[in-house]
Amino acid sequence: GAVVSQHPSWVICKSGTSVKIECRSLDFQATTMFWYRQFPKQSLMLMATSNEGSKATYEQGVEKDKFLINHASLTLSTLTVTSAHPEDSSFYICSASTASGNLLVGNEQFFGPGTRLTVL
Amino acid sequence: LAKTTQPISMDSYEGQEVNITCSHNNIATNDYITWYQQFPSQGPRFIIQGYKTKVTNEVASLFIPADRKSSTLSLPRVSLSDTAVYYCLVGDWAGANNLFFGTGTRLTVIP
Repeated sequence: GAVVSQHPSWVICKSGTSVKIECRSLDFQATTMFWYRQFPKQSLMLMATSNEGSKATYEQGVEKDKFLINHASLTLSTLTVTSAHPEDSSFYICSASTASGNLLVGNEQFFGPGTRLTVL
Repeated sequence: LAKTTQPISMDSYEGQEVNITCSHNNIATNDYITWYQQFPSQGPRFIIQGYKTKVTNEVASLFIPADRKSSTLSLPRVSLSDTAVYYCLVGDWAGANNLFFGTGTRLTVIP
């Protein structure tokens, strides 16, 4: 259980085009989904947090107009990189969470396999 | 926001027990500790989670002292396939602080 998928697994696009990445929770309903970006040899950096049916919350320094997040259902969130440029090339990872509110249980994040974006 | 500090890298021979320690001096009362494993070009994989004392599952143990200012992930008898980056995260039940990854520890298992 607790499987998160991402599509596509990799994408190559020309500079100036837009790319959409899908994140799906396959066997559970995710109250919250997160989007991370990871550059080579670096740690994951949180980009934004999205809750179903509401606007995403972006971290400082992340352009909300460039990285559009839509969380249309409890099992699907999409990240659209608009007008992509070579510096947007990175590994994008989503995660899904089912916050239970139980201190002893906590709530772990279930991560997707990631999407490798290369902008030429 | 509870910041974590881990060694950047560690080497170990196959079959040995590996202990990776994470410091989190500013851990809050409601924070719990979670460890993830990440292989190259893959998303992080949950290893273990704990709040205090010791937690053990089929792949690892997590030791947390009484003051909770640090934690140690213990991997018994590592194999080459355990070569990966290991991240320690500290956060509260709502996950508000459990979203920021530190540098992680790059474990290399040597044959």
